[in-house]
Amino acid sequence: DQQVKQNSPSLSVQEGRISILNCDYTNSMFDYFLWYKKYPAEGPTFLISISSIKDKNEDGRFTVFLNKSAKHLSLHIVPSQPGDSAVYFCAARIRTGANNLFFGTGTRLTVIP
Amino acid sequence: GAVVSQHPSWVICKSGTSVKIECRSLDFQATTMFWYRQFPKQSLMLMATSNEGSKATYEQGVEKDKFLINHASLTLSTLTVTSAHPEDSSFYICSAAPTPLVHTQYFGPGTRLTVL
Repeated sequence: DQQVKQNSPSLSVQEGRISILNCDYTNSMFDYFLWYKKYPAEGPTFLISISSIKDKNEDGRFTVFLNKSAKHLSLHIVPSQPGDSAVYFCAARIRTGANNLFFGTGTRLTVIP
Repeated sequence: GAVVSQHPSWVICKSGTSVKIECRSLDFQATTMFWYRQFPKQSLMLMATSNEGSKATYEQGVEKDKFLINHASLTLSTLTVTSAHPEDSSFYICSAAPTPLVHTQYFGPGTRLTVL
């Protein structure tokens, strides 16, 4: 049972434009959400996170929005750069406080120069 | 930044043999290490969580006798796939956490296991 879903396996965006990556979840016990970026043959690297008590967190070109009522979060990258091309995973932690993360299936972002 | 290495990066083995994968935190001590498995076009699935000096905690559906985890030190955890079969072929990724905070998990580059 996939509790964290990324329904778009791929996304292509022109350089300089906004990239919006979406993630939906089903478990209301999730209290912390993270986005990871992964290049081929490398492990995921942490990008940005948001607590369930917030609805927005911004870090430079990256902003994560959380809509708890819709159980939906999104990652906005603006302006998009070719170096942003990678696979992006959203992940969620359940409220028990454990470090277990539930990952989505990933979205491959391609930024076209 | 925190670096986690995995060795080997790619291994091919015959069915019935055992394969050991090492995960090392190179510049920090990891109180907790995690092992994930990723099938093609699927998400990372947590297999087990290990704390140094104690037995690993396995997720439901993961055979502990099949996937042996040893967290011998604060910088090294090993995953041994015993009596490997073709269905064990997958991408195995470890992560290490220097603190209990979830966002401080640092991931290794992964190991691709192919069982013939």
